[in-house]
Amino acid sequence: ILNVEQSPQSLHVQEGDSTNFTCSFPSSNFYALHWYRWETAKSPEALFVMTLNGDEKKKGRISATLNTKEGYSYLYIKGSQPEDSATYLCAFPGYSTLTFGKGTMLLVSP
Amino acid sequence: NAGVTQTPKFQVLKTGQSMTLQCAQDMNHEYMSWYRQDPGMGLRLIHYSVGAGITDQGEVPNGYNVSRSTTEDFPLRLLSAAPSQTSVYFCASSSGGPKGTQYFGPGTRLLVL
Repeated sequence: ILNVEQSPQSLHVQEGDSTNFTCSFPSSNFYALHWYRWETAKSPEALFVMTLNGDEKKKGRISATLNTKEGYSYLYIKGSQPEDSATYLCAFPGYSTLTFGKGTMLLVSP
Repeated sequence: NAGVTQTPKFQVLKTGQSMTLQCAQDMNHEYMSWYRQDPGMGLRLIHYSVGAGITDQGEVPNGYNVSRSTTEDFPLRLLSAAPSQTSVYFCASSSGGPKGTQYFGPGTRLLVL
């Protein structure tokens, strides 16, 4: 079982705040690092699949960076909106399985 | 193109009963997997399949059985339901194995009394 850690566990911010979360994963045998967005009562949806050290991906106000040598990825949300409220999951693939972190639950208040 | 579908959406079972959770995908993905979601535990892998006829165990396989007779379908069987199996179950599929983007079904909420 691979160790994939996310912090913080939860976060409550005000509309307009920028925020970031961390995902740490094993730095050996790196294949890729996934980020998913999971809204309450829905199913997880892919945000990014990151494969290269130093990779930076962006989707609207959400961006992510990757450091494979030290085993961490950051997810940033610029100018949070109430519709950004969700749980953000990272996942680390092994040879044949995918291990998810427990997620960071974000609540954005108007 | 329906993506990944799961049935039923919700089920109540009594301890000891058996049932099958259905999962189907129409994207011709070789890789399919089953996860359970429990509070504070995140998504945990139950079983996965890398193609028709090939299945393997994940992190929490006890009490569950799977088969993969076609590319499209990957049913999950509960052999003798226990209250500890009360959970939300998600099926997912991917064209790139565990490294590729996972497409999730809508989930099945199971309550075992």
